[in-house]
Amino acid sequence: DAKTTQPNSMESNEEEPVHLPCNHSTISGTDYIHWYRQLPSQGPEYVIHGLTSNVNNRMASLAIAEDRKSSTLILHRATLRDAAVYYCILRVTYSGAGSYQLTFGKGTKLSVIP
Amino acid sequence: DTEVTQTPKHLVMGMTNKKSLKCEQHMGHRAMYWYKQKAKKPPELMFVYSYEKLSINESVPSRFSPECPNSSLLNLHLHALQPEDSALYLCASSQDRTNTGELFFGEGSRLTVL
Repeated sequence: DAKTTQPNSMESNEEEPVHLPCNHSTISGTDYIHWYRQLPSQGPEYVIHGLTSNVNNRMASLAIAEDRKSSTLILHRATLRDAAVYYCILRVTYSGAGSYQLTFGKGTKLSVIP
Repeated sequence: DTEVTQTPKHLVMGMTNKKSLKCEQHMGHRAMYWYKQKAKKPPELMFVYSYEKLSINESVPSRFSPECPNSSLLNLHLHALQPEDSALYLCASSQDRTNTGELFFGEGSRLTVL
């Protein structure tokens, strides 16, 4: 299985942008890059995903390197509520089954300083 | 608000007990998942059901027995567990036939085995 590498922890000041990096040098051409986050005492929550092009949604932006070997999750203005563990995951689709295997890496614990 | 409901939120059981965890979703999703999460570790995939059939079993010990009685329900039957099985058990669901592959997680059932 393709693996991802993320820093163990990062800090950000409130209302500042945050760039969370992820390396996935063994990514295959059909692997989608997914980001989830897990707030304390909650289940993981979908943030964003992409394949080749940069993506934006209401929560964040995803910048994908041209060779797809790395990506960066961008939170434009960190709030205290964004303090969580952020997981970068390569999604494997099982053809015909309609189910998706997500293998979580260690993730990055983001702390937001007021 | 999560649309995947897990009960009970907390469960304490002895090693000789038989108990069950329950997961319910009404989003019409046809894939459902069980993950196990130990403290300060990422979630680990246990089982995947697709169209009510078990499609992935990640070599989970037989003391964990999953069941998918219909497309909305997923159970995890527990028997003769060990203290090291104490963890947060997360249920998730996803809708097939989309490129999103977003998994919706419940808040989890926290299990303590005495």
